[in-house]
Amino acid sequence: GAVVSQHPSWVICKSGTSVKIECRSLDFQATTMFWYRQFPKQSLMLMATSNEGSKATYEQGVEKDKFLINHASLTLSTLTVTSAHPEDSSFYICSARDYSGSVYEQYFGPGTRLTVT
Amino acid sequence: DQQVKQNSPSLSVQEGRISILNCDYTNSMFDYFLWYKKYPAEGPTFLISISSIKDKNEDGRFTVFLNKSAKHLSLHIVPSQPGDSAVYFCAASAYGQNFVFGPGTRLSVLP
Repeated sequence: GAVVSQHPSWVICKSGTSVKIECRSLDFQATTMFWYRQFPKQSLMLMATSNEGSKATYEQGVEKDKFLINHASLTLSTLTVTSAHPEDSSFYICSARDYSGSVYEQYFGPGTRLTVT
Repeated sequence: DQQVKQNSPSLSVQEGRISILNCDYTNSMFDYFLWYKKYPAEGPTFLISISSIKDKNEDGRFTVFLNKSAKHLSLHIVPSQPGDSAVYFCAASAYGQNFVFGPGTRLSVLP
């Protein structure tokens, strides 16, 4: 299947700093990428939908000024957590949609563990 | 309101037996369904999909059944292996829109 990578896989940062997470589709072009957040023992929560060349669509309750998303190319989307606080500590996962004929699949990256101290 | 439900938070099965994971949905517009497997601290791995024009899709040890009238789908794993122990999410989508995930079921396959 298609491969989606994320970098970094884990990051520790101090409160008040910003952190950028990259999501890349390695062997296909993705016009649409998604960013999820997972709290311990809970399901994936969609944060925003990232479309190449346009502004991201944020889910209700997600602060767009805090979680900046940039989908600069068909293979790269970035999530920047600005002025991070301990409550932003979480597991962030991106996914990319690959269209293959009339069907589509959604492939996930390995996730990024963010710890804010 | 949860559009995709997985009412069993956990399931334990003996190695070699069948694992059956269930998923119910409320939105009749959903036309495409996926099952994912997730290990701790890793991203979900795609397992198998099914579109609403089918009622069964099989891939190796994994079979997904879809009952549209009941708005129910299930994932069968036969035979279950210890390496199958993980959290399984079902996800549903309507007309190419974003997937809605269920809360997941933790499967433990006992040796």
